[in-house]
Amino acid sequence: EAGVAQSPRYKIIEKRQSVAFWCNPISGHATLYWYQQILGQGPKLLIQFQNNGVVDDSQLPKDRFSAERLKGVDSTLKIQPAKLEDSAVYLCASSLLPYEQYFGPGTRLTVT
Amino acid sequence: TQLLEQSPQFLSIQEGENLTVYCNSSSVFSSLQWYRQEPGEGPVLLVTVVTGGEVKKLKRLTFQFGDARKDSSLHITAAQPGDTGLYLCAVSGGSNYKLTFGKGTLLTVNP
Repeated sequence: EAGVAQSPRYKIIEKRQSVAFWCNPISGHATLYWYQQILGQGPKLLIQFQNNGVVDDSQLPKDRFSAERLKGVDSTLKIQPAKLEDSAVYLCASSLLPYEQYFGPGTRLTVT
Repeated sequence: TQLLEQSPQFLSIQEGENLTVYCNSSSVFSSLQWYRQEPGEGPVLLVTVVTGGEVKKLKRLTFQFGDARKDSSLHITAAQPGDTGLYLCAVSGGSNYKLTFGKGTLLTVNP
């Protein structure tokens, strides 16, 4: 069974530029999550989708971050404009059961 | 204030040694999970503990959930270089089972 796919794996941008990340969850997983993991920290949930609806986006900085999950499968996370403090690994996860989340390899973002 | 405090933050040991890492909180949880994250990869679920006092074994890894369900430990016997990684504990809460992670223990096992 294929795992969660993410692209790109690495991205370097300058502050105030825009960036987008893509996630393809495990087939059949209705729930999709985006996490931000800053160096030296555990992952922090940014947004959770159930099919194509948002369940929790309480920790998403909505002035600059946006996410969508059209058709309830793939998802994109966008940052516009990026700040230095957005440098982190962005992890996508999906689940069929709430207690079993499967994570992708992440996208490492460096904002200079 | 961190919901979950993990210690130690860093641990570097030689192959063959034993080690224990801890996950502590002042809150009571219905369940707790341990993940391992290797460099350049996402976290992988190792175990879920749900009962106070529960002990689960996964090969050389032993997980224990505290009697009061506020803390947990992970013990590794005869560590190997392949055990190197970031060990994260996490708890879920709310109707959407939102996961909250600790900061993790970064383990390095030297050959």
